[in-house]
Amino acid sequence: EVRLVESGGDVVQPGGSLRLSCAASGFTFSTYYMHWVRQTPGKGLVWLSRINGDGSNTKYADSVRGRFTVSRDNSKNTLYLEMTSLRADDTAFYYCVRDRAEWQLLGAFDWGQGTLVTVSS
Amino acid sequence: QSALTQPASVSGSPGQSITISCTGTDSDVGNYNFVSWYQQHPGKVPRLMIYQNDIRPSGFSNRFSGSKSGNTASLTISGLQAEDEADYYCCSYAGGSTFVFGTGTKVTVL
Repeated sequence: EVRLVESGGDVVQPGGSLRLSCAASGFTFSTYYMHWVRQTPGKGLVWLSRINGDGSNTKYADSVRGRFTVSRDNSKNTLYLEMTSLRADDTAFYYCVRDRAEWQLLGAFDWGQGTLVTVSS
Repeated sequence: QSALTQPASVSGSPGQSITISCTGTDSDVGNYNFVSWYQQHPGKVPRLMIYQNDIRPSGFSNRFSGSKSGNTASLTISGLQAEDEADYYCCSYAGGSTFVFGTGTKVTVL
């Protein structure tokens, strides 16, 4: 069974930094693209970033490029999202997402349960 | 990277069919066959329902079907049931290894 468990969500001040983690299990982690998606409470889903299986290639949405960094440690089956220069509009649930097809992007996502990041003074 | 456009709400009576549209551009929906749909009940995690425009994951109800024409994708729910009341989101590949979600549609079963 695919299992994705996010952690690291917290309350942080504007301008602050935070690192989210996602522990993956139930599949061969290194052969799948992984993504981060966020959802402001009561609002829609927003795709943020993706990383390929070996971690050598990443992409970002315009809204977070230059502030957020996605990475992975395949030896620990863990995905990360380093967030800096946080703003109030970054407040959201952050989901770790697996793309279902091995070795390729399909846009067929399996979801973690999410972790809440609140940016507030 | 503008969000795909979905109607804010769609409603129907039990047993009826409803269709949710998802409109993008030539840079996303219209240029790739990688539209997926997700169902999200209140307080729950999104769940994959359709991928690659019209493929249902194994075990998912055949009351749900997807299609695409030009820059617009559609999700049809037939035989509407109370349990279908949820938020629905489309998602499309947008080139350059990026994706974009729709604005979301709240389905109400009358």
